[in-house]
Parts: sequence; structure tokens; C-alpha cells
Amino acid sequence: DQQVKQNSPSLSVQEGRISILNCDYTNSMFDYFLWYKKYPAEGPTFLISISSIKDKNEDGRFTVFLNKSAKHLSLHIVPSQPGDSAVYFCAVASGSARQLTFGSGTQLTVLP
Amino acid sequence: ETGVTQSPTHLIKTRGQQVTLRCSSQSGHNTVSWYQQALGQGPQFIFQYYREEENGRGNFPPRFSGLQFPNYSSELNVNALELDDSALYLCASSGGWGADTQYFGPGTRLTVL
Repeated sequence: DQQVKQNSPSLSVQEGRISILNCDYTNSMFDYFLWYKKYPAEGPTFLISISSIKDKNEDGRFTVFLNKSAKHLSLHIVPSQPGDSAVYFCAVASGSARQLTFGSGTQLTVLP
Repeated sequence: ETGVTQSPTHLIKTRGQQVTLRCSSQSGHNTVSWYQQALGQGPQFIFQYYREEENGRGNFPPRFSGLQFPNYSSELNVNALELDDSALYLCASSGGWGADTQYFGPGTRLTVL
């Protein structure tokens, strides 16, 4: 059973508007969450992370929100730019190796 | 600061063969993890090496093995290749045992015919 789920395979938004990408997880013991961005033919690039002791973390245009009671996190990108078009993966770090468990990704397309 | 590098970029093998993929960690990082990403899926954890020892393993058979060298570079070896092993293999490094954030290389695209 998938421990990390991204239920929207794709999302399209207009340039300048907000992009909201969603992620659900099953294990309430997870304590560290990350978002990665991936362009074709490249490896995932780390974007932003959040510890379970927080409910929000901001870095420039990117904000991650964590709702522990709902086991849900979201990534907000404001304003969206065409260069943001990529596949976005949420991930959780767990275990002694802090191995990453990824969702299946959401393809974001920002239209000019 | 040098990022994570991987070689080769692409590789084509036939079923039953063996393959070795290589990874150099980001400078200052002593922990290397390997992931397999099949088409349309998120990366899946294969194993992690810390100070030349395997530190954790995902749900992959023993024909997937690895090494880490004193300079923290790493190899992933896959024996008896199967068609389903066709995937993007990603290496990630992090700043030490228990570090949460991993930084990925560009990957090696393996095709098994």
C-alpha cells in the first residue's frame, strides 16, 4: 500500500497565479517531509522541507504547509512562472537511514 | 562546491548481463543512497551506504548490491539483469548518518533488452 500519495497526476495554471500541489501520507509517525522538482533527463532537485514540529515553512516563492491531523501537506508556489513547469514529488524521510519514500509525482504546467 | 555526479549517462544491456553504475557524492557528504525510478513512478529506495557500510535497504533482491569507497564514492551493481530493471537509477548524497535532506545526481538511464 502506498504510504505517500499524490492524487493529481497533472496541474495547469496561468503564469502569475498560485500553484497548489497536494500530498497525503498514511503514517502519523512520519516526522520530516520534503518537496523535490524534476525536469526531464535530470535528477530531482531539492526545493523545500518541513519538520513535523512546524506547520508552515517558506522559502521565497515556495511555501509548504503541513496538516498533521489530516496527514496532508501542500506546496504553494506564488507567483507561478513558466520555468516552474516540471514534475513535483513529495517525499518523507523515515527509518534509521532516513530513506526517502516518494509519491508518484504531479506534472505542473505553467502557461504563459 | 561539486554536486553529485553519476556515470554513465545511458546504458543498454541484455537480459542476464551484469551492470555497474557509479556515483560521486557531493563534496563534504559521506552518505550515499541509491534509488530506482521506473517510468511514471516516484523513485524507490534501494539501499544506503555510510562510511563504507550498508546502512539500510529497501525491498530489492540480493542481486542488487553496492559498495562505498573511502572517498565516499559508490557503485551499484546489478546481476542477472531482467527486463523490469529498465529504469532511471539515481544516486543521492547527504551530510551524514541521520541527515534528512538528500541531494540527487542526474541519474543513469538503464535499458535492458
